[in-house]
Amino acid sequence: ILNVEQSPQSLHVQEGDSTNFTCSFPSSNFYALHWYRWETAKSPEALFVMTLNGDEKKKGRISATLNTKEGYSYLYIKGSQPEDSATYLCAFIPNTDKLIFGTGTRLQVFP
Amino acid sequence: NAGVTQTPKFQVLKTGQSMTLQCAQDMNHEYMSWYRQDPGMGLRLIHYSVGAGITDQGEVPNGYNVSRSTTEDFPLRLLSAAPSQTSVYFCASSYSNRGSTDTQYFGPGTRLTVL
Repeated sequence: ILNVEQSPQSLHVQEGDSTNFTCSFPSSNFYALHWYRWETAKSPEALFVMTLNGDEKKKGRISATLNTKEGYSYLYIKGSQPEDSATYLCAFIPNTDKLIFGTGTRLQVFP
Repeated sequence: NAGVTQTPKFQVLKTGQSMTLQCAQDMNHEYMSWYRQDPGMGLRLIHYSVGAGITDQGEVPNGYNVSRSTTEDFPLRLLSAAPSQTSVYFCASSYSNRGSTDTQYFGPGTRLTVL
């Protein structure tokens, strides 16, 4: 069984703070990694698809990095806003068609 | 485009009943999949399909059947519902027949309770 770990499980920050969280995955048989943003009572929405070691992706105030050799990806949010409150999921894809999701990091941003 | 649609939104079943959760997409996506979401467990893959006529098992396939007769539809069947199948079910699709290379588009979910 392939394990995908996300840490921390939950995070509470003040508006304006920058924050980051981690997705750890098996470093062998890496094919791709996805990040999703999941707001309460909605469906997960894609943030990034990352495939190459050293990849860096950015969308507005959110960015992600990837280290396939050591098996981790970081998601950063700069200047958190209340609308960033959501659960952030990563999905690891080994050399198959199956996505293996982590349990997510739940972020709450207080005004 | 309607995107990925799921019906019903809510369902209550008694143990032993059968039902089908419907999933459809109008984006001509090759890859479709079903997940269940349980507290503290994240999203777990039940079954997936890389194209019409092709299905395969995911991480937790027991108790569920699928078929893919058209590109658009990917129904999930519960043959004999059990309380352990109480969960929120999400259908997802992506363009490529390699689910790994494209972002997944998720449906709104079906909340199922089995008494």
